[in-house]
Amino acid sequence: AAGVIQSPRHLIKEKRETATLKCYPIPRHDTVYWYQQGPGQDPQFLISFYEKMQSDKGSIPDRFSAQQFSDYHSELNMSSLELGDSALYFCASSLGYQGNTIYFGEGSWLTVV
Amino acid sequence: DAKTTQPPSMDCAEGRAANLPCNHSTISGNEYVYWYRQIHSQGPQYIIHGLKNNETNEMASLIITEDRKSSTLILPHATLRDTAVYYCIVKPLSSQGGSEKLVFGKGTKLTVNP
Repeated sequence: AAGVIQSPRHLIKEKRETATLKCYPIPRHDTVYWYQQGPGQDPQFLISFYEKMQSDKGSIPDRFSAQQFSDYHSELNMSSLELGDSALYFCASSLGYQGNTIYFGEGSWLTVV
Repeated sequence: DAKTTQPPSMDCAEGRAANLPCNHSTISGNEYVYWYRQIHSQGPQYIIHGLKNNETNEMASLIITEDRKSSTLILPHATLRDTAVYYCIVKPLSSQGGSEKLVFGKGTKLTVNP
């Protein structure tokens, strides 16, 4: 079965640069979630979208923005990168709400040097 | 904030059952218990979920106490590939799409030994 696809899988950027991560949800899924997992940390919720509208917001820095497009894929844009942004970024998707299971992608490794 | 408490680590012998406990004493009536696991630096993997009845699938069984204040995930025949961090998460149903985020706590690091 098709899973959540994230790209790129690995990314190296310098401080103050910009990075964009992409997420392609499971077909027919209309909800996307973004998580950040720092080294040795648990996944932290950043932001979610339902039907192309932002639906919930967590600890996402102001330097980060995200959107969900008409084909339901999502992009996380990170600007003015800092060393502390180095982390594994997960995207997850689900179908609507009312208890539908959330499925995760394999993540995108961002290293800021 | 996470609403669950799990032991930080557990060990299990290969081929034996692994029983992972979780306390969720403040769980509300509309909240489900979900279990995910994360094998080193991979995406969290859904295992099972339940509301109040015991559940079983091809991966595991979930036993929820009658008062719903705790649960146990059972891996019936643990293998080395089951070594992972296991997260117990309570999540409410929501009438608003996209509002059912998973809040990860500390989880239990399960090590399956040969």
